[in-house]
Amino acid sequence: NAGVMQNPRHLVRRRGQEARLRCSPMKGHSHVYWYRQLPEEGLKFMVYLQKENIIDESGMPKERFSAEFPKEGPSILRIQQVVRGDSAAYFCASSPQGGGWLNTEAFFGQGTRLTVV
Amino acid sequence: AQTVTQSQPEMSVQEAETVTLSCTYDTSENNYYLFWYKQPPSRQMILVIRQEAYKQQNATENRFSVNFQKAAKSFSLKISDSQLGDTAMYFCASNFGNEKLTFGTGTRLTIIP
Repeated sequence: NAGVMQNPRHLVRRRGQEARLRCSPMKGHSHVYWYRQLPEEGLKFMVYLQKENIIDESGMPKERFSAEFPKEGPSILRIQQVVRGDSAAYFCASSPQGGGWLNTEAFFGQGTRLTVV
Repeated sequence: AQTVTQSQPEMSVQEAETVTLSCTYDTSENNYYLFWYKQPPSRQMILVIRQEAYKQQNATENRFSVNFQKAAKSFSLKISDSQLGDTAMYFCASNFGNEKLTFGTGTRLTIIP
């Protein structure tokens, strides 16, 4: 059973371009969480999704950021018109059901490091 | 506000010694979970240990144990017989009763051979 897969591992974008980060949850997991880690900081919650639903997006910046988790395929975090301040590591985690953090069944991927030049 | 504070940006210890990493938090919730995550240079987030706030008994996982003081809102991690592979960033976190984790800023731990 493969773990949570994120790709790409590294992504370089020029200012103004779009960045698409993909997260394939573990098999059987239907809940996905996205976190952002700025340099020398801890992870900060961005969004929580179930298949075809956004449950909590309270950590998402109001503009340029969006996330989806379609019925088929990976979850996508999309950043439009990237700026230097978007440079960070973006992590996703998945769990088979809600309350993943309560039963140790939530697992993190290895992250995507986005660099905006 | 619900916060997690790690006041030790960096620590180092000789191999085989014991080290304790500090974590304090602030919340008005009564039921929540606390976690310690390890992040080695590979960047993978690895769950080290977790504690349920309603349990008084401190959690242990092999060489890792916690000192949970609910009234003081303190949750320290003790690593016994430290090994070179323990070198990593360590993050304290809590869900504060909901679906999302709040992390501290981390402690960079170096084990010296």
